[in-house]
Amino acid sequence: NAGVTQTPKFQVLKTGQSMTLQCAQDMNHNSMYWYRQDPGMGLRLIYYSASEGTTDKGEVPNGYNVSRLNKREFSLRLESAAPSQTSVYFCASRQATTNEKLFFGSGTQLSVL
Amino acid sequence: AQSVTQPDIHITVSEGASLELRCNYSYGATPYLFWYVQSPGQGLQLLLKYFSGDTLVQGIKGFEAEFKRSQSSFNLRKPSVHWSDAAEYFCAVGAWGSYIPTFGRGTSLIVHP
Repeated sequence: NAGVTQTPKFQVLKTGQSMTLQCAQDMNHNSMYWYRQDPGMGLRLIYYSASEGTTDKGEVPNGYNVSRLNKREFSLRLESAAPSQTSVYFCASRQATTNEKLFFGSGTQLSVL
Repeated sequence: AQSVTQPDIHITVSEGASLELRCNYSYGATPYLFWYVQSPGQGLQLLLKYFSGDTLVQGIKGFEAEFKRSQSSFNLRKPSVHWSDAAEYFCAVGAWGSYIPTFGRGTSLIVHP
């Protein structure tokens, strides 16, 4: 059982570079999420996809774009990375029902210099 | 909109001592409530959840939590802490019809031998 798989695990970028964080789940979940985690800030939602074909902004969407490529995959793109985007990024998924738990990936640690 | 407050940023306990982590929520109706644990370098894992029924909920690893509507609280407890319980703990609240659970800022648990 792979669950939620995120790649890469670590990444260092220079300011202005672009990159895409990949996320895939094998649990046939409808909803997928991207969070960032910063010290003292907890988890903040960047974007989410309630179902295949839909995406919506979360609390901190500026500087990011997402693509729900299919039911399994939900990618997060940084078009022009900034030092403020240095963070740990988590992808999560769950079934559509709102009382179900989230399944999290192991995270991507991103540093922007 | 719902919100979650975890008043304690850090909690330090001795191994074998009891533990209570506080969580207060704000939501107009009956919420869905969750506690997640994050071990160092890992994603979040569900400890327990409440969405209806018995207000005392049992979870994994010997944890329990009690939903108190009158106090808008969902505190996490464990009678005897083990060194392996050292981690970050997150309370989260969900609402009926919403795809977006809201996370607290987390409480870091430090366990002294």
